[in-house]
Amino acid sequence: QVQLQQWGAGLLKPSETLSLTCAVYGGSFSGYYWSWIRQSPKKGLEWIGEINHNGVTHYNPSLKSRVTISEDTSKKQFSLRLRSVTAADTAVYYCARGRAMSVAGVGFDPWGQGTLVTVSS
Amino acid sequence: SYELTQPPSVSVSPGQTATITCSGDKLGEKYASWYQQKPGQSPVMVIFQDTKRPSGIPERFSGSNSGNTAALTISGTQAIDEADYYCQAWDSDTAIFGGGTKLTVL
Repeated sequence: QVQLQQWGAGLLKPSETLSLTCAVYGGSFSGYYWSWIRQSPKKGLEWIGEINHNGVTHYNPSLKSRVTISEDTSKKQFSLRLRSVTAADTAVYYCARGRAMSVAGVGFDPWGQGTLVTVSS
Repeated sequence: SYELTQPPSVSVSPGQTATITCSGDKLGEKYASWYQQKPGQSPVMVIFQDTKRPSGIPERFSGSNSGNTAALTISGTQAIDEADYYCQAWDSDTAIFGGGTKLTVL
């Protein structure tokens, strides 16, 4: 059974860079896209972007200019960097296994435990 | 940009059937997934590919998707089903979530 464990800094100042990492346990890293999703009271669930084991990425157009998602297949980990954060980026950030590369319509499952990131001066 | 619209809240009596809708332009031409989220917990997928249940999800959860509307139906709703529910679909290479529906069992 696949499990995801995530970690990273929870308190940032405006203009700093958010950095989170997610490790995949108990399953294969290949064959899927791996996503970052955030949740705030104002915006609800918002997909940030995804990466597959070949390093192919897709980003939410609304965040694309500030986001980088990378992966380390040897460690079965993937990471999120969000630059120039503001208070609007305050949210709970989740990692999740996303769509399968060979099968359409597979949802996000499972999800990481979530990390509350607060941006405040 | 593509949008998915859900009712903010739905109420149901225990043992009755709850239906939560999700509307979007030609949503029936895309696959819909549904997620359950209880307070303080990460979302859990309850339906994928419109109608399929992941392992471990009770049979009382079912889904449909046609035209512009996808629906999540919970038959014989139990108190433990009280939660927020979100629909999700893909538009090109972007995942879209609905705004969420709070299901109250009273």
